[in-house]
Amino acid sequence: NAGVTQTPKFQVLKTGQSMTLQCAQDMNHNSMYWYRQDPGMGLRLIYYSASEGTTDKGEVPNGYNVSRLNKREFSLRLESAAPSQTSVYFCASMVGRGRENIQYFGAGTRLSVL
Amino acid sequence: AQKITQTQPGMFVQEKEAVTLDCTYDTSDPSYGLFWYKQPSSGEMIFLIYQGSYDQQNATEGRYSLNFQKARKSANLVISASQLGDSAMYFCAMRGGSTSGTYKYIFGTGTRLKVLA
Repeated sequence: NAGVTQTPKFQVLKTGQSMTLQCAQDMNHNSMYWYRQDPGMGLRLIYYSASEGTTDKGEVPNGYNVSRLNKREFSLRLESAAPSQTSVYFCASMVGRGRENIQYFGAGTRLSVL
Repeated sequence: AQKITQTQPGMFVQEKEAVTLDCTYDTSDPSYGLFWYKQPSSGEMIFLIYQGSYDQQNATEGRYSLNFQKARKSANLVISASQLGDSAMYFCAMRGGSTSGTYKYIFGTGTRLKVLA
């Protein structure tokens, strides 16, 4: 019963380095999301994907790219990391139909950019 | 524009007492959903309760209930009989109308609850 799995759990980068955060869900959900969580600011939407092959910008997309590789996987890439991208990153998925449309979250990736 | 406001950065409650966490929202969508999530110190986001904008009755899930006052645009979380394990950050969130084939959510800034023994 894995749900939403994020890797890695922790990462330290130097300014200018690149990396990809991985997210996979096994609930057959259509929609997937990437958020960042900063102290005092709640969760802010970076990118989302309604279905395989589609992606859209959220509230804070600058400095990030995403790929919806297939229905299960949605990755977030930092091409040239900056200290302002130090944050906790959450991936979430949602079934995309039905009444409630509850989002289910991964455990998060804690990223530090030095 | 949609907005979620949580005005209580921190709250204390005595064990076994009830506590209300405030949430107000703003939206022009006629159809929306309101959610509460719990984030313990371990960091994961745990879904607690959902209220739909057309639901006539307030949602309840065990010790959690959502006091939904549509005219006031408030969706307060009530935790009854608080337990030490309820100490966590609590987020209110809103799902708006469909966009690009799915829904977007916005989150409040959270309320940190500390349950005292």
